[in-house]
Amino acid sequence: AQSVTQLDSQVPVFEEAPVELRCNYSSSVSVYLFWYVQYPNQGLQLLLKYLSGSTLVKGINGFEAEFNKSQTSFHLRKPSVHISDTAEYFCAVSQAGTALIFGKGTTLSVSS
Amino acid sequence: EAGVAQSPRYKIIEKRQSVAFWCNPISGHATLYWYQQILGQGPKLLIQFQNNGVVDDSQLPKDRFSAERLKGVDSTLKIQPAKLEDSAVYLCASSPGLSYTEAFFGQGTRLTVV
Repeated sequence: AQSVTQLDSQVPVFEEAPVELRCNYSSSVSVYLFWYVQYPNQGLQLLLKYLSGSTLVKGINGFEAEFNKSQTSFHLRKPSVHISDTAEYFCAVSQAGTALIFGKGTTLSVSS
Repeated sequence: EAGVAQSPRYKIIEKRQSVAFWCNPISGHATLYWYQQILGQGPKLLIQFQNNGVVDDSQLPKDRFSAERLKGVDSTLKIQPAKLEDSAVYLCASSPGLSYTEAFFGQGTRLTVV
């Protein structure tokens, strides 16, 4: 069975600082990995996804993530955050033909 | 391209009442998902449809929850009777097909059971 663990429930940072949101997964087979963002009272929007190939994946809004198979991790990073990045971030895993399985989420709070 | 449409956006009901949510996926999307997102948690899959057939409903509490997608397009999720613990956001998502990895989400319906 697959599962996702987001290691931090809340991450407070100051504007223009770098940030890393951590995600570990468990699966006995090859998986696809995703990061979604959820703004208040909104649905989920895809930030980026890893399917295969290069382990460094670039997404929207300046976010990137690195797939590390040996560490079973898929951490999300941004070199300089903005106030507008304040939101809930979800890591998710799936296999071909199966639905996304989500972590519990990380609340990113950016202050000035 | 229009996104996934859900209605209503908000619903407040008393426990033991019934409620229904509606979802219209992106045009042409064969796969449709219903997720339950309890406050402070990640979305949890309730049911997955491929056209009008059920692919996965293993986490759907079938004693009170039901879902249908009769014509393989829009879908309805029903709760009867509702319990306090059903208070959550119900998210609908769709994708072009089972082999497509990404799901596109609607804005959700926030249900409060009092």
